[in-house]
Amino acid sequence: EVQLAESGGGLIQPGGSLRLSCAASGFIVSSDYMSWVRQAPGKGLEWVSIIYNDGRTFYADSMGGRFTISRDNSKNTLYLQMNSLRAEDTAVYYCARGSLPNLANSWGQGTLVTVSS
Amino acid sequence: IVLTQSPATLSLSPGERATLSCRASQSVSAHLAWYQQKPGQAPRLLIYDASNRATGIPARFSGSGSGTDFTLTISSLEPEDFAVYYCQQGSHWPTFGQGTKVEIK
Repeated sequence: EVQLAESGGGLIQPGGSLRLSCAASGFIVSSDYMSWVRQAPGKGLEWVSIIYNDGRTFYADSMGGRFTISRDNSKNTLYLQMNSLRAEDTAVYYCARGSLPNLANSWGQGTLVTVSS
Repeated sequence: IVLTQSPATLSLSPGERATLSCRASQSVSAHLAWYQQKPGQAPRLLIYDASNRATGIPARFSGSGSGTDFTLTISSLEPEDFAVYYCQQGSHWPTFGQGTKVEIK
């Protein structure tokens, strides 16, 4: 059974950094397309970043180069390093697995990031 | 690519048919997916490539369309189907529509 478990969210001050983790089980992270998708409170969904099975990474333009997606194959875990955080980055961050590029077949339960002073 | 969903809210009774629309600002071919989201839960993939049901999705959910106009149909609403539905295109950098809420009338 495919399972995704995010962690690492919390309250952070503007300008701070945070690293989110997504522990995967039931499949191999490096074999699929892994993404981060976020949802601001009461709002819609926004795709943040994707890492392909060949290692290529892609980001939404709106992230402005502040975020870095990576994976640790030995731990079967996906990461999102977020720097220079802003109030508008406040959201639930979901990791997702895709069988195809730009698709999210399976989702984790999400982790809440709150950027506030 | 901007996706526009209509209507914003659909008020229906269990057993009725639901028809949700998604229009893209430019062609996305058949690279269109639909997701269901219930309060406090992660989204769930229903349909991919415009008309293919994801694993485990009941047959009452169907998708159609190509290019810029797409439709999600729920043939007969079950109580568990009342939720928010999002379309998402994967032709370019993935984007979502703003969602359609299907609520109990």
